[in-house]
Amino acid sequence: GDSVTQMEGPVTLSEEAFLTINCTYTATGYPSLFWYVQYPGEGLQLLLKATKADDKGSNKGFEATYRKETTSFHLEKGSVQVSDSAVYFCALGHAGKSTFGDGTTLTVKP
Amino acid sequence: EAGVTQFPSHSVIEKGQTVTLRCDPISGHDNLYWYRRVMGKEIKFLLHFVKESKQDESGMPNNRFLAERTGGTYSTLKVQPAELEDSGVYFCASSRTSYGETQYFGPGTRLLVL
Repeated sequence: GDSVTQMEGPVTLSEEAFLTINCTYTATGYPSLFWYVQYPGEGLQLLLKATKADDKGSNKGFEATYRKETTSFHLEKGSVQVSDSAVYFCALGHAGKSTFGDGTTLTVKP
Repeated sequence: EAGVTQFPSHSVIEKGQTVTLRCDPISGHDNLYWYRRVMGKEIKFLLHFVKESKQDESGMPNNRFLAERTGGTYSTLKVQPAELEDSGVYFCASSRTSYGETQYFGPGTRLLVL
């Protein structure tokens, strides 16, 4: 079945550091790929998405590229802020449902 | 437009009791999904409604869980009787179509079974 493997956390960075959170997936067919973010005390929010190979999703300075050859969708940001502290979930959408990774907790210190 | 709403935001019950969670999807979204995150693990799919019909309920853990969506609008998820392992965060999501489209999530209901 479909699965998503996400970089284990927690991740702690200093402000303005470079962020990478790795995500790889296993799926039949051609899934859509997503990154969701959950800020403290809030629900899941869509951060970015890509629907086909080589698509790049971007939002709020975050980027991820759909790599079919490596079945990956790594999340990157060039300079993180304290306000980026949250839990990040990689997910794939296929056959009408979403499959999530375990989530990676990011803490950014000033 | 209003987002997906869920009620209650938190619920604390004792083992053996019944709890009913409610989800109101975005207006016009025929597709409604339930997910849960248990013990800080991954968010797992429970089931998918298209309008009032259950399209996929392969993720429902056992027959203590009953989901309904009468009239194809809001949905309820009842747990009866609740067990300790049911504790977690229950998320609802909705989308206009099923395939490839973004699912919009609600804030979740935090359930604690003591």
